[in-house]
Amino acid sequence: EAGVTQFPSHSVIEKGQTVTLRCDPISGHDNLYWYRRVMGKEIKFLLHFVKESKQDESGMPNNRFLAERTGGTYSTLKVQPAELEDSGVYFCASSQLTGKTGELFFGEGSRLTVL
Amino acid sequence: AQSVAQPEDQVNVAEGNPLTVKCTYSVSGNPYLFWYVQYPNRGLQFLLKYITGDNLVKGSYGFEAEFNKSQTSFHLKKPSALVSDSALYFCAVRADSGYALNFGKGTSLLVTP
Repeated sequence: EAGVTQFPSHSVIEKGQTVTLRCDPISGHDNLYWYRRVMGKEIKFLLHFVKESKQDESGMPNNRFLAERTGGTYSTLKVQPAELEDSGVYFCASSQLTGKTGELFFGEGSRLTVL
Repeated sequence: AQSVAQPEDQVNVAEGNPLTVKCTYSVSGNPYLFWYVQYPNRGLQFLLKYITGDNLVKGSYGFEAEFNKSQTSFHLKKPSALVSDSALYFCAVRADSGYALNFGKGTSLLVTP
């Protein structure tokens, strides 16, 4: 069974440009999460989808970040325009259980470097 | 709001010795506690979780963790460390009021031969 896959693995862009990160969850997983880790700091929650609906987007930093999950399958996270402080590793995770006891399955992350 | 503290940035242990990676949490209501491990250039892998019941939970690769409600701690332990255990370890908590996992900063574990 394929795990959570993320693309690209690494993206280097200049300040002001746009980047779109993609996440393909494990097949059949209705829950999809985005997290971000800035160097040396905590892994911060960004948002949570249940199928195509945003369940919780309280962690989204500002309106330069837009997440979508059309059709309830893969998800994209767009940063437009990118700023220096957006640099970090963006993790996607998915889970099957809708309750709060299930563990999350993480992708390998997309490293974003904004110059 | 819930939070997790991992007080040690790095833990060094000799192979064969017991290891402990510390975690304390703050949450309203019942906590759901998790440990994840990240090997270099890999995603986070689930190790173990505490939801309810026995305070000592056992997980993957011989790891275990003890939930201590009075001390609000959930320390990760292993009786005998392996060099291959060297990785970054994250503690996480989820409150029963939400779905988001809140992670600590991570602790780098280095096991030397």
